Amino acid sequence: KNEVEQSPQNLTAQEGEFITINCSYSVGISALHWLQQHPGGGIVSLFMLSSGKKKHGRLIATINIQEKHSSLHITASHPRDSAVYICAVTPGNQFYFGTGTSLTVIP
Amino acid sequence: DAMVIQNPRYQVTQFGKPVTLSCSQTLNHNVMYWYQQKSSQAPKLLFHYYDKDFNNEADTPDNFQSRRPNTSFCFLDIRSPGLGDAAMYLCATSRENADTQYFGPGTRLTVL
Repeated sequence: KNEVEQSPQNLTAQEGEFITINCSYSVGISALHWLQQHPGGGIVSLFMLSSGKKKHGRLIATINIQEKHSSLHITASHPRDSAVYICAVTPGNQFYFGTGTSLTVIP
Repeated sequence: DAMVIQNPRYQVTQFGKPVTLSCSQTLNHNVMYWYQQKSSQAPKLLFHYYDKDFNNEADTPDNFQSRRPNTSFCFLDIRSPGLGDAAMYLCATSRENADTQYFGPGTRLTVL
């Protein structure tokens, strides 16, 4: 069983749509991370959060510690948002990664 | 501007021929990580250093070794690469354990 589960695995959206990617985890954590990986590219850290909500531009990340669940929202999606979005959690010094959600935004 | 640099970006080696991948950072971070990522899979942590303290993941094969001679540099040595070791190898750093990680662009390893 994976410590981190993401849904959906694949997502296709029309430009401008509101997008939600979900992450559930089964371990106690000190923080949860959302990462973005473009095809053939490196990984960029989008958010690190341990409670509540964070916003950066069109991206919003929320976490519910009691329910062990986090969501990443993208408002007014754009083709350049097409990437794999990875949820990772840190219980202590370890990093557990989800398998990622592959997002394609069609113009 | 580059903060985490990996060299080379692409590496081709022969089956069984040792190979070394390099990572350097300009962030002066305490922690450096090495990940292996295969196609369509999440990154898999191989090991990490907190300063000079080495932390090996339990399921990392003995074939994989690492060195961190100073704060800025960390090396991944694959002693006898097999075909199954072909992957993207990602280096990352963080200021402290469990902090935001900064990733390098990766080295894509091909084993012939």
